[in-house]
Amino acid sequence: AQSVTQLDSQVPVFEEAPVELRCNYSSSVSVYLFWYVQYPNQGLQLLLKYLSGSTLVKGINGFEAEFNKSQTSFHLRKPSVHISDTAEYFCAVRYYGGSQGNLIFGKGTKLSVKP
Amino acid sequence: DAGVIQSPRHEVTEMGQEVTLRCKPISGHNSLFWYRQTMMRGLELLIYFNNNVPIDDSGMPEDRFSAKMPNASFSTLKIQPSEPRDSAVYFCASSNQYEQYFGPGTRLTVT
Repeated sequence: AQSVTQLDSQVPVFEEAPVELRCNYSSSVSVYLFWYVQYPNQGLQLLLKYLSGSTLVKGINGFEAEFNKSQTSFHLRKPSVHISDTAEYFCAVRYYGGSQGNLIFGKGTKLSVKP
Repeated sequence: DAGVIQSPRHEVTEMGQEVTLRCKPISGHNSLFWYRQTMMRGLELLIYFNNNVPIDDSGMPEDRFSAKMPNASFSTLKIQPSEPRDSAVYFCASSNQYEQYFGPGTRLTVT
């Protein structure tokens, strides 16, 4: 079955430190990949997406992610985090041939940035 | 664009009452999704529509839940009768091809 795994449910980090949030998906077929961010008491907001082309994708708020087909991964990175990055982050996948717009979401990673 | 609009933003009701949640998708989007989010179960897809037609409702928990999309600009999620375990944040999202755009959610509390 198609699935998305976010290995870390919680990631604590100090302000200005780098961070990597991990995401792996289950299938070797072609995919579209997404990262969403959810701030407290808000809906999910698209952070970045990979549809095709360059495997390094840059998003909002200084985040970037790299698509690695051989490892079926799409890890999210930021070189220096801020307190305001404290939120929950969701990785999502749509497989080629999947229903339009239907995404499979991971269970989320809660990023906690401490001063 | 105003984005996905959901109403009400908060709903408190008593067990056994009917609850109706509403969603207006982004104009031009032809897919619409209803999700439920709780601390225990995380984000769950309940049902989604393409061109106003329900495609997959396997996530709908029970017959107490029903969803309709009478036209391209409006959808409802109804719970009848409501139970305390239905307390959650309900999100609506719409899509035109790839990514989904989420509304702000409706926080439902059933006492």
